[in-house]
Amino acid sequence: DAGVIQSPRHEVTEMGQEVTLRCKPISGHDYLFWYRQTMMRGLELLIYFNNNVPIDDSGMPEDRFSAKMPNASFSTLKIQPSEPRDSAVYFCASSFGPSRPQHFGDGTRLSIL
Amino acid sequence: QQQVKQSPQSLIVQKGGIPIINCAYENTAFDYFPWYQQFPGKGPALLIAIRPDVSEKKEGRFTISFNKSAKQFSLHIMDSQPGDSATYFCAAKTWGGTSYGKLTFGQGTILTVHP
Repeated sequence: DAGVIQSPRHEVTEMGQEVTLRCKPISGHDYLFWYRQTMMRGLELLIYFNNNVPIDDSGMPEDRFSAKMPNASFSTLKIQPSEPRDSAVYFCASSFGPSRPQHFGDGTRLSIL
Repeated sequence: QQQVKQSPQSLIVQKGGIPIINCAYENTAFDYFPWYQQFPGKGPALLIAIRPDVSEKKEGRFTISFNKSAKQFSLHIMDSQPGDSATYFCAAKTWGGTSYGKLTFGQGTILTVHP
């Protein structure tokens, strides 16, 4: 069975550019989570969706960050404009219900120059 | 109050040793405590989890010990192998309210098992 699929795996771009990260959750999962991982702050939850509806976006650092889930099989995390401090590994995870384990994708390593 | 504090930051053991990773929490509403294992270039993967109604759970070589009164829990890896070298994260979550489904992670422990 396919796991959570994220793209791209690596992204290098210049400061000020728009960045779009993509995620395809596991089919049938109704919860989708976006995390950011850095050495300094560890794993941070940015936002999560239930049945395509954003439930908690309190972890989104600034208005430069936005996330959408137009349907059950696709979500995007967008940063506009990007800044060097946004450099991190971004993970998407999904679960079947809030009490089942979260399955993580392999992440997108983002570098903003 | 939402923090989960994990220690040590890094740990080196010899093959066959028993590394122990500790976590502590403050929020008494937390009622699910998973451990995740992460290899370089991969996402975290659920290793083992425990609910507060039991004091210990064992799966293969991995054991969680849970102390509800002290608000602490730990991961023990029996007969550790070089293939166990990875970063380990403890986490905690609550049910209900605005934290429904939300995991709070510890800072992670980098484990190295030497052959």
